Amino acid sequence: GAGVSQTPSNKVTEKGKYVELRCDPISGHTALYWYRQSLGQGPEFLIYFQGTGAADDSGLPNDRFFAVRPEGSVSTLKIQRTERGDSAVYLCASSLGAWGTDTQYFGPGTRLTVL
Amino acid sequence: AQSVTQLGSHVSVSEGALVLLRCNYSSSVPPYLFWYVQYPNQGLQLLLKYTTGATLVKGINGFEAEFKKSETSFHLTKPSAHMSDAAEYFCAVSLGNTGKLIFGQGTTLQVKP
Repeated sequence: GAGVSQTPSNKVTEKGKYVELRCDPISGHTALYWYRQSLGQGPEFLIYFQGTGAADDSGLPNDRFFAVRPEGSVSTLKIQRTERGDSAVYLCASSLGAWGTDTQYFGPGTRLTVL
Repeated sequence: AQSVTQLGSHVSVSEGALVLLRCNYSSSVPPYLFWYVQYPNQGLQLLLKYTTGATLVKGINGFEAEFKKSETSFHLTKPSAHMSDAAEYFCAVSLGNTGKLIFGQGTTLQVKP
């Protein structure tokens, strides 16, 4: 079956601009996670959804970052007033449930470059 | 707070040699532990995971890992490296009630012919 997909695969923007990153999870997966991976580092948790609600957004670095999942499927990560430090690969993952034993399936990521 | 430390950012082995990638964790509660692999230009793929039960866990592509509570370790091994194993490997621990993953810094495995 289809895996997790993310669009766009690459996004280049200018400092101060607004960007949206999209994630399509595996059908039927109720939990959806966003991570950020900087060069040479492991992924860092940003936010996760159980259904439509953000169950934990403790990893969002500041209020420029926001994510939604209005119908409990597709999610969009939104970044306002982008900064050069936001440049990273943004990863999305989904799992059947949000328990610690559930396997997360990752998408290929969106590489964001802020000039 | 949970954390993961991977010892060695780069590991180089010869084809056919033993692969050993080290992972130590800290957790205030019984951990769930994962190894993921990331091939160039691909997404993270689960190799194996430990939740409960048998402490020696077997995964895909001949990899296995052993959970050692006394050493707070979850090292990844493979008896004989193959060229196709060259990739970046991440160890992770999850918080039981949320599934949120805490990753180590990653280890790049190089396999020499």
